[in-house]
Amino acid sequence: DAGITQSPRHKVTETGTPVTLRCHQTENHRYMYWYRQDPGHGLRLIHYSYGVKDTDKGEVSDGYSVSRSKTEDFLLTLESATSSQTSVYFCAISESADYGYTFGSGTRLTVV
Amino acid sequence: SQQGEEDPQALSIQEGENATMNCSYKTSINNLQWYRQNSGRGLVHLILIRSNEREKHSGRLRVTLDTSKKSSSLLITASRAADTASYFCATIAGGTSYGKLTFGQGTILTVHP
Repeated sequence: DAGITQSPRHKVTETGTPVTLRCHQTENHRYMYWYRQDPGHGLRLIHYSYGVKDTDKGEVSDGYSVSRSKTEDFLLTLESATSSQTSVYFCAISESADYGYTFGSGTRLTVV
Repeated sequence: SQQGEEDPQALSIQEGENATMNCSYKTSINNLQWYRQNSGRGLVHLILIRSNEREKHSGRLRVTLDTSKKSSSLLITASRAADTASYFCATIAGGTSYGKLTFGQGTILTVHP
């Protein structure tokens, strides 16, 4: 998707290992979000950022941490991956509440 | 918790027919948005309607909003096979300045050629 990229696109990791997903934007948007998408649950907000070094928890933040040291990058870290964190993770950006989000293509994470 | 709930969960129609999807939500909103997701892809923003608007059009899309009933509908006219996708409504709570979107679980639309 134009202006926002996620890496990696796919990852398989073992239970207990740390994992970091990266979201990079070129739109200079202030707000960035991490969601996970699971069957039967739709998309749920994990963490979001409203500026450099300004982050807050979403609906399902347990087991996740984030960091934003630059406007363009928003990192999601699973400190010790569990099987329940197997999911598709989406990053999104927005200018404000009055505009739609732009989503990345997603990262499919499998924890075995 | 899900703010928006879509109905129906799945919809199957023939090309050329209209498709209507409904969304209900629970709390006051700043705006309501509709997104499309093709299989295995990210979500694409379709249309945003503000809480003080009642109807909005974009190409073959028509969105209505009834804040008294806390509901919205998305109408796709003259559907095409390429419209086959999942459609999600999402809301931003009233009084929010930086827009945490809360999504429903979506409607799966299948358009048969």
